[in-house]
Amino acid sequence: DAGVIQSPRHEVTEMGQEVTLRCKPISGHDYLFWYRQTMMRGLELLIYFNNNVPIDDSGMPEDRFSAKMPNASFSTLKIQPSEPRDSAVYFCASSQTSSGELFFGEGSRLTVL
Amino acid sequence: SQQGEEDPQALSIQEGENATMNCSYKTSINNLQWYRQNSGRGLVHLILIRSNEREKHSGRLRVTLDTSKKSSSLLITASRAADTASYFCAKEEGGTSYGKLTFGQGTILTVHP
Repeated sequence: DAGVIQSPRHEVTEMGQEVTLRCKPISGHDYLFWYRQTMMRGLELLIYFNNNVPIDDSGMPEDRFSAKMPNASFSTLKIQPSEPRDSAVYFCASSQTSSGELFFGEGSRLTVL
Repeated sequence: SQQGEEDPQALSIQEGENATMNCSYKTSINNLQWYRQNSGRGLVHLILIRSNEREKHSGRLRVTLDTSKKSSSLLITASRAADTASYFCAKEEGGTSYGKLTFGQGTILTVHP
């Protein structure tokens, strides 16, 4: 299995631009998670899905952030408009069951200038 | 804020020595997991311990859980330079947070050859 696949691996953009991060979970995994990692705040859970349905989005910072999962093999995290404080590494992870281990992608490093 | 404090924040040891990392939490949990992260990479699952378990082993790793003290520890025996990484505990809280993992700030382990 190829594991969780994220794209792009690196993104540099200017403040105000729209950013779209993509994730392909492991086939057969029913849970998908989006995390953000920064030095200051560590790993923060942004949102997670079960069977393509958002279960908890309480970690989404503000309305500029949105996430979708149109089908079982694809999810997007969108930031519009982006701000410098959004600079972070964004991880996608999937899990076969609840209460199970998470499989992480390699992350998308976002830099907003 | 992140659930679970880890200590030490950083640990530096010589190859062959044992490394112990601790994790504390505040609320009841369903399970607690330990992950490893190499620099610039995604997190990799190490061990999951359920709330009704007290100890688990996996190779050179030993995890203990004390629910009365709300704490867990990860012991790496006979450390190797390749064990150099950041180690995180992650808690699945009880109640309605089923499936939701929150991570601690992590311990940076450096093993000197």
